Amino acid sequence: SAVISQKPSRDICQRGTSLTIQCQVDSQVTMMFWYRQQPGQSLTLIATANQGSEATYESGFVIDKFPISRPNLTFSTLTVSNMSPEDSSIYLCSVRCGYTFGSGTRLTVV
Amino acid sequence: AQTVTQSQPEMSVQEAETVTLSCTYDTSESDYYLFWYKQPPSRQMILVIRQEAYKQQNATENRFSVNFQKAAKSFSLKISDSQLGDAAMYFCAYRNTGTASKLTFGTGTRLQVTL
Repeated sequence: SAVISQKPSRDICQRGTSLTIQCQVDSQVTMMFWYRQQPGQSLTLIATANQGSEATYESGFVIDKFPISRPNLTFSTLTVSNMSPEDSSIYLCSVRCGYTFGSGTRLTVV
Repeated sequence: AQTVTQSQPEMSVQEAETVTLSCTYDTSESDYYLFWYKQPPSRQMILVIRQEAYKQQNATENRFSVNFQKAAKSFSLKISDSQLGDAAMYFCAYRNTGTASKLTFGTGTRLQVTL
């Protein structure tokens, strides 16, 4: 199974600012997935990130708000842009290899 | 679209006892994957067990086993000899077999383990 290092583990941000979350995988993977878990809720897929192409976003999520980079087969970033308190959530990355997840980023927007 | 339903928001079990968490799903596919994930307060999503739909044999991982009823679209998780460390949110998830397929999660069941 792949091992994913995700950072930051948590952050408190002012509204209107942006935060970039990083995920590093210990092996090469074709696809990486970004999920959001709102307080007390289940996980919802934000987008699927392939290396060398634009990410595919799920309904309700747009690139301007959640830009994703995938510069190589072991790394991806998710940016939460122009944040508001409604963006306060746990954000997790995941890969199919072993169906593993990163440790999550707890974001609080004040 | 596939849906996953967990009808038990909370469950409680005494230490060393057995508990079963329920999950049902809806799909028109014949081949797919089902998962149980554990999320402790640390928020890490930990894969507990996985089942391929084409396999009739129920998956087992140590104290964790599933009862997979394909015709009924039911996928319950049994935890035997419950331990305090089993206390967590448990999420049932579904995935199609396509390479780009995402995980679809249920709403979760919070498991409490009491002494």
